Amino acid sequence: DTGVSQDPRHKITKRGQNVTFRCDPISEHNRLYWYRQTLGQGPEFLTYFQNEAQLEKSRLLSDRFSAERPKGSFSTLEIQRTEQGDSAMYLCASMLAGVTYEQYFGPGTRLTVT
Amino acid sequence: AQSVTQLGSHVSVSEGALVLLRCNYSSSVPPYLFWYVQYPNQGLQLLLKYTTGATLVKGINGFEAEFKKSETSFHLTKPSAHMSDAAEYFCAVSDRGNAGNMLTFGGGTRLMVKP
Repeated sequence: DTGVSQDPRHKITKRGQNVTFRCDPISEHNRLYWYRQTLGQGPEFLTYFQNEAQLEKSRLLSDRFSAERPKGSFSTLEIQRTEQGDSAMYLCASMLAGVTYEQYFGPGTRLTVT
Repeated sequence: AQSVTQLGSHVSVSEGALVLLRCNYSSSVPPYLFWYVQYPNQGLQLLLKYTTGATLVKGINGFEAEFKKSETSFHLTKPSAHMSDAAEYFCAVSDRGNAGNMLTFGGGTRLMVKP
């Protein structure tokens, strides 16, 4: 399968714990996005990378959140000191910027904070 | 800030009937426009997009959408609903002037198809 993959698909954690999610984009895509989707809502933009550079962060991305994309390949999203309000689906998307405007989404990681 | 409105959080149609899902955007400069479909516990799949050119665009699974600048709309249609079309549909936009091409999504419309 050559699509966007995310790991894990589901994560249950206790409040206050740290969690890390991974996204592997389509291999030739230079742009990678993170979105968050809460139940019954549309996804909301969190941050994006152009190659390894993180170029924009939403106000939704509090200082407990950090994202990286070392070497411009896979990306990780870490949430420190999780809160119940962090419970959501975290979606990753990738795009070949400069060629197309189409973002391809992964299956998402569903986080439940208890 | 750009906003996207999808009228009707739930739409129910009979199998074989016309599907019409509505989407309106707020910006005065027409953005890039997209429709995505999401099946339960899955990511989003692109149905179709409008960036330039012909205002009636065809997508996968028999769906099409028409960009109407005067109405700031991009409604999604399908002539004949199939049971497999039951899913959540999201309209999304991306500002032309924004180099980041981030997507702003509407709240979604859940399509139910009755046999």
